[in-house]
Amino acid sequence: RKEVEQDPGPFNVPEGATVAFNCTYSNSASQSFFWYRQDCRKEPKLLMSVYSSGNEDGRFTAQLNRASQYISLLIRDSKLSDSATYLCSIAGAGSYQLTFGKGTKLSVIP
Amino acid sequence: NAGVMQNPRHLVRRRGQEARLRCSPMKGHSHVYWYRQLPEEGLKFMVYLQKENIIDESGMPKERFSAEFPKEGPSILRIQQVVRGDSAAYFCASGADSYNSPLHFGNGTRLTVT
Repeated sequence: RKEVEQDPGPFNVPEGATVAFNCTYSNSASQSFFWYRQDCRKEPKLLMSVYSSGNEDGRFTAQLNRASQYISLLIRDSKLSDSATYLCSIAGAGSYQLTFGKGTKLSVIP
Repeated sequence: NAGVMQNPRHLVRRRGQEARLRCSPMKGHSHVYWYRQLPEEGLKFMVYLQKENIIDESGMPKERFSAEFPKEGPSILRIQQVVRGDSAAYFCASGADSYNSPLHFGNGTRLTVT
C-alpha cells in the first residue's frame, strides 16, 4: 500500500454540485493532516488542516477517520474557481515532514 | 509579504551545467524543505534542513544533488552536471518549529535542461 493515495480523477462536476474526495494513508501513527490546493503551474497552497473532530471552513469540510485511515474533503456548492488539483498531506508522529498524495483533479463546469 | 521566497522563477541550463536554486523561508520559520514535482506527478520530498544542519536527505539523489541552509542567507539546492531528467518544478517550503504545523510553499523554480 502506498504511503498516501488519492484518486487522481478527474472529477468533472457542474456548478453548485457537492463533491467529495478521499485520501488513504498507510501509517497508522500519522498525526498531522492537511489539504492543499494546487492550480496549474502554481505552488500548493494550504486549504485547511484536518482535525480529529472534523472541521469546516465555509463550503469546505474536512474529516478524519483514524479507524479506516483516511481523510476526506467535501466541497459544497462548487464554484468555477474551485477547479484545481487537491493534494492531501500527512505527517507521522513526531515528524515535521509532510508526505503528499499525487492529487485529485477537480473541474467545475458551467 | 513575508512569504517563502524562491528564485529564480525559471532557470534554463544546458546538459552538464550547474543549477543553483535559492529559497528564503517565511519569517519566523526555521525549517526548510525541498520538493520536486514532475509534470502530472505529485510532490516528491527531497531534503529537510534546519539552520546549518541537514536533518533528512533521504529523498535526494546521492549524486549531483546537494543542499545547504547556512547560518546567514537562503537555503540553496545545487544540482551539478544537470541532465534532461532533472527538468522539473522545484518547490521550497518552510514550517514553524512545531509538530502539527503546515508547510508554506514558495512559488517554485522551473528548471529546464536543454
